[in-house]
Amino acid sequence: RKEVEQDPGPFNVPEGATVAFNCTYSNSASQSFFWYRQDCRKEPKLLMSVYSSGNEDGRFTAQLNRASQYISLLIRDSKLSDSATYLCVGETSGSRLTFGEGTQLTVNP
Amino acid sequence: GAGVSQSPSNKVTEKGKDVELRCDPISGHTALYWYRQSLGQGLEFLIYFQGNSAPDKSGLPSDRFSAERTGGSVSTLTIQRTQQEDSAVYLCASSPTYLGELFFGEGSRLTVL
Repeated sequence: RKEVEQDPGPFNVPEGATVAFNCTYSNSASQSFFWYRQDCRKEPKLLMSVYSSGNEDGRFTAQLNRASQYISLLIRDSKLSDSATYLCVGETSGSRLTFGEGTQLTVNP
Repeated sequence: GAGVSQSPSNKVTEKGKDVELRCDPISGHTALYWYRQSLGQGLEFLIYFQGNSAPDKSGLPSDRFSAERTGGSVSTLTIQRTQQEDSAVYLCASSPTYLGELFFGEGSRLTVL
């Protein structure tokens, strides 16, 4: 089993839709979680960190569920510019950061 | 520039040749990661340097791969006797803190013919 797993999608949603991605992790001791965004043929860039109490940044909300060992990303009022691959990141048992496979999102007009 | 710098941006080589990929992290960043990304795939962890600690080499796919980080700054990833399956984008990232936000370079695209 991979230490960080996410649904690869693809997700195709209309503009204005709300979409949610989940990512499960196996290291119950993990303290560091992030969501990154990667545009086609570009390097990943930080979207947001994930805090224990959950956090929000504009249309984006990140949550952590320690009991079920998953993190989530909610995007409200989707824009065309949100089309990208979303990568979750967690701390492995070896104390390094590992990426999920990425979830591809396409927002359609 | 102030970001992570990688070179070369593109490298085409023949099977069996050795290649060196360079990463210049953001000044002062103690952590440095190398990842590999094949077309349409996720990021595969290769190696992790944190301060003066011994590097975590557990992701290196074979003994043809090695990396070093000199003076806690610049890192070089070396692939010996390249194979076609080594073709990928090699991404370097640095972080100012242990398990903190990663700042990526633009990657080195390696094509092995």
